[in-house]
Amino acid sequence: RKEVEQDPGPFNVPEGATVAFNCTYSNSASQSFFWYRQDCRKEPKLLMSVYSSGNEDGRFTAQLNRASQYISLLIRDSKLSDSATYLCVVDGGYQKVTFGTGTKLQVIP
Amino acid sequence: EAQVTQNPRYLITVTGKKLTVTCSQNMNHEYMSWYRQDPGLGLRQIYYSMNVEVTDKGDVPEGYKVSRKEKRNFPLILESPSPNQTSLYFCASSSSGTGVEKLFFGSGTQLSVL
Repeated sequence: RKEVEQDPGPFNVPEGATVAFNCTYSNSASQSFFWYRQDCRKEPKLLMSVYSSGNEDGRFTAQLNRASQYISLLIRDSKLSDSATYLCVVDGGYQKVTFGTGTKLQVIP
Repeated sequence: EAQVTQNPRYLITVTGKKLTVTCSQNMNHEYMSWYRQDPGLGLRQIYYSMNVEVTDKGDVPEGYKVSRKEKRNFPLILESPSPNQTSLYFCASSSSGTGVEKLFFGSGTQLSVL
């Protein structure tokens, strides 16, 4: 089993739609969780950290479920500019950071 | 401006010719790391460093070397590059704290080994 797994997509959604991505992780001792956004062949950039209580930043909501070992990202009211690859990132302790392979989102006019 | 500077942006070389990719950060971060990104495989960690003179292997260290003689610099060395090291490489840094906080990435180096 991969340490961090994501559905690669692509997810093709119309503008204004709500889309959700999940990411599962295998190391139950993992401490920190993040969602990064990566535009084609550019450097990944932090979208949001994921907290146990869940957190929201505008149209983006991230949730963590430690019991089931998954994190999720919800994007509401999708914009064309949201088209990108979304990377799930898990800090497994001892500064061992593992990236998922990413989920590609294409928002269609 | 806080940044991670990675050079060169593009590099084409031949098998066996030693090369170095430089990485420098101006944020006084303790943690630095190198990743390679390949289609379908995502970003895989090559090496990381917790501080000066402290380095450790990531998931795919074979064929690579690193050094951390100064806090701001973390070069990646390929002593004898091979075609399977053709990839997109990223350097990143972070303040470590109790875990890896926000990672700052360099702009990437596209390496082609012929």
